[in-house]
Formats: sequence, structure tokens, C-alpha cells
Amino acid sequence: NAGVMQNPRHLVRRRGQEARLRCSPMKGHSHVYWYRQLPEEGLKFMVYLQKENIIDESGMPKERFSAEFPKEGPSILRIQQVVRGDSAAYFCASSPTRGSMGSGANVLTFGAGSRLTVL
Amino acid sequence: GIQVEQSPPDLILQEGANSTLRCNFSDSVNNLQWFHQNPWGQLINLFYIPSGTKQNGRLSATTVATERYSLLYISSSQTTDSGVYFCAVAKGGGGNKLTFGTGTQLKVEL
Repeated sequence: NAGVMQNPRHLVRRRGQEARLRCSPMKGHSHVYWYRQLPEEGLKFMVYLQKENIIDESGMPKERFSAEFPKEGPSILRIQQVVRGDSAAYFCASSPTRGSMGSGANVLTFGAGSRLTVL
Repeated sequence: GIQVEQSPPDLILQEGANSTLRCNFSDSVNNLQWFHQNPWGQLINLFYIPSGTKQNGRLSATTVATERYSLLYISSSQTTDSGVYFCAVAKGGGGNKLTFGTGTQLKVEL
């Protein structure tokens, strides 16, 4: 089992460019979460997706950020017109279930992260 | 939203020592997980433990849900235990939309 695969591991963009981060969940996992780790701010939830559906995007900035998890292919986190404040580590995680009480199957497995630097 | 506080914020141990990390949370949860972020940034899931006690090798964890705290025990610490330990929780219906604590930075020295 290859685990949660994220790419690129490191991405450098200039202000105003677009960043696309990709995530392939663990085999058998249909629930994908994106988290952001900003310096000095810790890990924050961004969005929760299932195949072809955004379930909860309450942690996403209102502008410039979008996420998708198509029927085929990886989940994509897209940041348009990047600014220096977007520099952070972006982590994708997956679980086999939604995470209901009492089920060990809702353990969240993280990828290695994508580190975005905006110049 | 739910508040998660971890203590101590920083901890330095000699190799072989034992330690206890604490996580307090402000509301009832039905999902609590402990993670270790190693010096290379990788987040490793240690325990899914919304209640009760679990052990995995030198690590064990206990959650007392009624009193809203969880403890992570590290015994016979090794230099590879260094990194940041995070507690993360979610309320009922929150699934894996986890709220993370600020972490405990652990350094194990020879």
C-alpha cells in the first residue's frame, strides 16, 4: 500500500501565479481532507471531499482557493494568484470512512505534504 | 469552536527517560487522534483514541472523555522520538474535520 501520495513535494511560485497541488489517497480510501500548516499557526482544516463532491469547505479561504476530487484521478487543491501569505505546507489526508464514533477505520493518514513557497 | 490545549509546549529529555504529554479539550468529542510530526515534517498517526487506553510498543495513550483530556506516554525515549506531538479532536458529526492543538515540541538528547 503506497500510502497517501502528494506532489509536488516542493513548489516555488512568484506572486500572481497559480499553484496546483495533487493528492492520491490510500487505496480503498474515499474520504480526502486538506490541511494547511502555516508558520506559527499550526495545522488548520481546509476542505473535506469525497469523489465528485465537496462535503465541507468551511476552512477554505473565500477567494482564490478551490479543491476538487474527480471521479478519476487525484484530488487537486488549486490556489490562484498566489500571495506571499500562501507560503505554507499543505497536507492531504485520507480515511476509509467519514470518522464516526467507535470506528478505528476512521484513522486519518497523512501524506508527506507539499511545501509552497511564494517569492 | 472547540479549543485544544497541549502541555508542555516544549520538552527536552535524555535518552531513556519517560514522559507524559497532556491534551485538554473544551467540549465533548467523539474523535481524538495523536500524531507525531518528525523533523522532516511527516505526520504519523499514533493513536485513534476517543476514549479508553491503548498501547503500541513504547507509546501508550489514555483518554478520559468525561473529563475532557488525553495523555500520551512515551517510555524509554529514543532520539527518533524527537519532533512535535499533536493532539487533534472532532465533535460529533465532525468526522475527520479535526481541530489540532498547538503541539508539544520534544527533543531527545543522547
